[in-house]
Amino acid sequence: GQQVMQIPQYQHVQEGEDFTTYCNSSTTLSNIQWYKQRPGGHPVFLIQLVKSGEVKKQKRLTFQFGEAKKNSSLHITATQTTDVGTYFCAGAAAGGGADGLTFGKGTHLIIQP
Amino acid sequence: KAGVTQTPRYLIKTRGQQVTLSCSPISGHRSVSWYQQTPGQGLQFLFEYFSETQRNKGNFPGRFSGRQFSNSRSEMNVSTLELGDSALYLCASRPTAERSIEQFFGPGTRLTVL
Repeated sequence: GQQVMQIPQYQHVQEGEDFTTYCNSSTTLSNIQWYKQRPGGHPVFLIQLVKSGEVKKQKRLTFQFGEAKKNSSLHITATQTTDVGTYFCAGAAAGGGADGLTFGKGTHLIIQP
Repeated sequence: KAGVTQTPRYLIKTRGQQVTLSCSPISGHRSVSWYQQTPGQGLQFLFEYFSETQRNKGNFPGRFSGRQFSNSRSEMNVSTLELGDSALYLCASRPTAERSIEQFFGPGTRLTVL
């Protein structure tokens, strides 16, 4: 079945440093979504990418979808303590199919003030 | 609009018992998906219901089942509980079953199996 790998598993940064998490799918995706889960909370939708090579920005967050629609990245510029949490990517396989969204295992972002 | 609600929020059971978890989606949402979240495996898809029909199913044993009612509320049931079933169970709703639409997650039910 479809697999979505996400790295790194953990990332420690000093406040103000940049952060990037990467997502790789074993199959071509029709779209990819990103979610953030704060400690003790539930995943909250951040954004969706659909087009090959798409880049979207939300303030300090930049999301990219690869040309082959098999990988994606989330980059945070100048991290703040409010960015703490786990960032998940979730992909839907291209061509339909009986599977739901497949989530990566997430990257835990830990920020040291 | 009220968000996705899940009951109960916390549950402690013993091995061999069964458990039923409930999820009320956002009003107007007809698709409900269930996920199991554990530190080791992350978020794993259990199943999705749309208009009272199971539309997708993840790779879980038959002990995990679910259903959806005509008002879109959904329940999942786990029979013959095992220690490894201890997890946070999340449900997520969206207006339709279209996978390109964002999901709205509930707060989850924390299940502990002793």
